[in-house]
Amino acid sequence: ELKVEQNPLFLSMQEGKNYTIYCNYSTTSDRLYWYRQDPGKSLESLFVLLSNGAVKQEGRLMASLDTKARLSTLHITAAVHDLSATYFCAVVDAGGTSYGKLTFGQGTILTVHP
Amino acid sequence: DTEVTQTPKHLVMGMTNKKSLKCEQHMGHRAMYWYKQKAKKPPELMFVYSYEKLSINESVPSRFSPECPNSSLLNLHLHALQPEDSALYLCASSQGWQGATQYFGPGTRLLVL
Repeated sequence: ELKVEQNPLFLSMQEGKNYTIYCNYSTTSDRLYWYRQDPGKSLESLFVLLSNGAVKQEGRLMASLDTKARLSTLHITAAVHDLSATYFCAVVDAGGTSYGKLTFGQGTILTVHP
Repeated sequence: DTEVTQTPKHLVMGMTNKKSLKCEQHMGHRAMYWYKQKAKKPPELMFVYSYEKLSINESVPSRFSPECPNSSLLNLHLHALQPEDSALYLCASSQGWQGATQYFGPGTRLLVL
């Protein structure tokens, strides 16, 4: 059974600081997603990482994927208050019988304060 | 247009009521999904429809009944729910292949009294 673990689960950051959220997964997968969720809102797709060594950047967020280590990172540069949200990583099970099944990490609640 | 719409936004129902949640997308996606999300938890997959056929049912109780009338619409029929079924119900859609990005709708917040 595919398991996805994020850490930290709670992250309180000061504005202007850098930090990294980690996402580990337990079985082979070649597709990893990062989503953002604001309180009471739906999930917004941030990045899809498709291969080993993939790196994507959007604004102050950068995501990377190491399929050999089964690890993805979401790096936050010079945090601003608008980045406060819950961040989920999600992995597609590579097994053919699990079509479309995303397994989510627990989520990281990020709070950026002055 | 990467929009998935859901109605209603909020729903309050009693345990004897029958109601339906609706989801619509016009992106030509051939896979549609229902998720349930409790507060401060990740979404949990309930059902997957692929090319209008049910392909995954994650052992969901029969009081939840999905329906896919056509490639753009997905319904979730609710009957005899329990208070613990109160949650945010999210619909998503994706192109019809394994691992395509899933785009989520705004959700229906359901309260069962």
